[in-house]
Amino acid sequence: QVQLVESGGGVLQPGRSLRLSCAASGFTFSSSAIHWVRQAPGKGLEWVALISYDGNNKYYADSVKGRFTLSRDNSKNTLYVQMNSLRGEDTAVYYCAKDRDLGYMDVWGKGTTVTVSS
Amino acid sequence: EIVLTQSPATLSLSPGERATLSCRASQSVSSYLAWYQHKPGQAPRLLIYHASNRATGIPARFSGSGSGTDFTLTISSLEPEDFAVYYCQQRSNWPLTFGGGTKVEI
Repeated sequence: QVQLVESGGGVLQPGRSLRLSCAASGFTFSSSAIHWVRQAPGKGLEWVALISYDGNNKYYADSVKGRFTLSRDNSKNTLYVQMNSLRGEDTAVYYCAKDRDLGYMDVWGKGTTVTVSS
Repeated sequence: EIVLTQSPATLSLSPGERATLSCRASQSVSSYLAWYQHKPGQAPRLLIYHASNRATGIPARFSGSGSGTDFTLTISSLEPEDFAVYYCQQRSNWPLTFGGGTKVEI
């Protein structure tokens, strides 16, 4: 069964760093681009970033560009997002999602929660 | 950035009724539009991609239409499990963007 499982969320102070992971199973991870999407409390969905199947191409939303970095380890079927200089507005549930047709998201994880607060 | 505006914000309906949700883009996205269903505490689910193509396992009561700047998601006869928030999303231009959502409530 196709599955994505996020982990690594937590509570931390502004300015700190955090690394989230997304573990994949049930499909050929090394052939799939993967997105991160977040949802702040009481808000809608916001696309955050995309990494290509081989990790060579990465796209970021302006709100995280320069602070978030995507990487992947295809030997471990795992995707990472390194989040630096965290701000209160980064507080959200973070979802990873498998890409379809370079821009749609056809399989989603259940999310991991990041809370940035002093 | 392409802005997607969804209307109405909330749709109050009963099971068995027809739901019509709208998504308008600030510029043409051709047919590069998807619809997602999201329930609290759950993973979002892809319903429709390329404006009118149902994703795997999505019931036939869900249909999408439109192109350019105006799109519609129709649920022909609401089932109890369809009460949720629905988002449109475009993949025509970077960055990818979502609409603000329409809540379908009883």
